[in-house]
Amino acid sequence: QKEVEQNSGPLSVPEGAIASLNCTYSDRVSQSFFWYRQYSGKSPELIMSIYSNGDKEDGRFTAQLNKASQYVSLLIRDSQPSDSATYLCAVISSGAGSYQLTFGKGTKLSVIP
Amino acid sequence: DGGITQSPKYLFRKEGQNVTLSCEQNLNHDAMYWYRQDPGQGLRLIYYSQIVNDFQKGDIAEGYSVSREKKESFPLTVTSAQKNPTAFYLCASSIGQDSPLHFGNGTRLTVT
Repeated sequence: QKEVEQNSGPLSVPEGAIASLNCTYSDRVSQSFFWYRQYSGKSPELIMSIYSNGDKEDGRFTAQLNKASQYVSLLIRDSQPSDSATYLCAVISSGAGSYQLTFGKGTKLSVIP
Repeated sequence: DGGITQSPKYLFRKEGQNVTLSCEQNLNHDAMYWYRQDPGQGLRLIYYSQIVNDFQKGDIAEGYSVSREKKESFPLTVTSAQKNPTAFYLCASSIGQDSPLHFGNGTRLTVT
């Protein structure tokens, strides 16, 4: 059973600080990694994709991937109250000609004004 | 604008009734999915389809049925056999199995 683990939180950070969200995965051959943001009562929205080791930046968001440690993270710089949401990590693994997408249960982020 | 449309947004049914949730996409995506989300819980896969006229069970398919007669449409029927149908249902699509999912706005089903 492929697993994706996230700290459920809540993670509270003051406005303007850096929020760091972490995700670990169990399958070594995982190849694609995604971060979704889900506001309360709404559907998940894709905010970042990362496929190779290192950092990928998009505005205030940076995704970091370390395949050796089976670890992917999301940094949110200059956190705003509007960033308060649950962040879902998703991982795609492949094997025997098929792909499997596994979601973590999400980390709830609260940005305090 | 391209996207995924789920309807209705809210749905109320009496116990023992079957109900069908609509999902339509105009993104020309091959793969479509149905997930269920319960309060404070993660996403659980109900059914998915990689191509028209073909679909596979996910982790919690019991009490649900789907069809994929058109590329654009993937309706989900919640049958009376589903023991705890009250939940937030999310439809998603992707270009392929190894691509990220894009979600519709969801249907919140309440069964009393």
